[in-house]
Amino acid sequence: AQKITQTQPGMFVQEKEAVTLDCTYDTSDPSYGLFWYKQPSSGEMIFLIYQGSYDQQNATEGRYSLNFQKARKSANLVISASQLGDSAMYFCAMRAYISSGSARQLTFGSGTQLTVLP
Amino acid sequence: EPEVTQTPSHQVTQMGQEVILRCVPISNHLYFYWYRQILGQKVEFLVSFYNNEISEKSEIFDDQFSVERPDGSNFTLKIRSTKLEDSAMYFCASSEARGQSDSRNYGYTFGSGTRLTVV
Repeated sequence: AQKITQTQPGMFVQEKEAVTLDCTYDTSDPSYGLFWYKQPSSGEMIFLIYQGSYDQQNATEGRYSLNFQKARKSANLVISASQLGDSAMYFCAMRAYISSGSARQLTFGSGTQLTVLP
Repeated sequence: EPEVTQTPSHQVTQMGQEVILRCVPISNHLYFYWYRQILGQKVEFLVSFYNNEISEKSEIFDDQFSVERPDGSNFTLKIRSTKLEDSAMYFCASSEARGQSDSRNYGYTFGSGTRLTVV
């Protein structure tokens, strides 16, 4: 079974500053994928960034980067140059790839509410 | 960019009534999912669907729930006799286009959700 832990229920950051949202995971599967989603107050789930367990480099997508430390089982999201529109709930999620036709569902953490201050 | 479409966006239903939530997954995706998010809580997996049958389901997905892909495009979640605790946001998702199993995030895409309120 997979488990995702997000220990920061809420975070504040000043506009234009960088912020790191923590995510640790637990799995016994050798192959897995890690996702970050943004959920604004309107409720939709917006995909931000993905990291595969065998990827050699940390994933980056624009202002989002993933600080992947496999030995520590952490996959922290870094948002650079925060904008007011970044205020939202952020979820870390994981999927294992153990065999064809199985276990493709995502396991989510409890989320971090990020507030960007002007 | 392809989207997962969910209807309705909001639904209010009386306790004990049946409700059907509808989803149109991305057309060339192979796997379909339903997730639930009770207000203020984490997103929870309900069920996955592949090759016209359920491939995985969680403990939440009891006999009150069923899924169907009636016509090759729609993917529905039915709750037979709604309870107050079924009030939540329900998300549909799809993944894995044919022949693209090595894509960056397997194309995992969520719909905008249906907010179900049971009164």
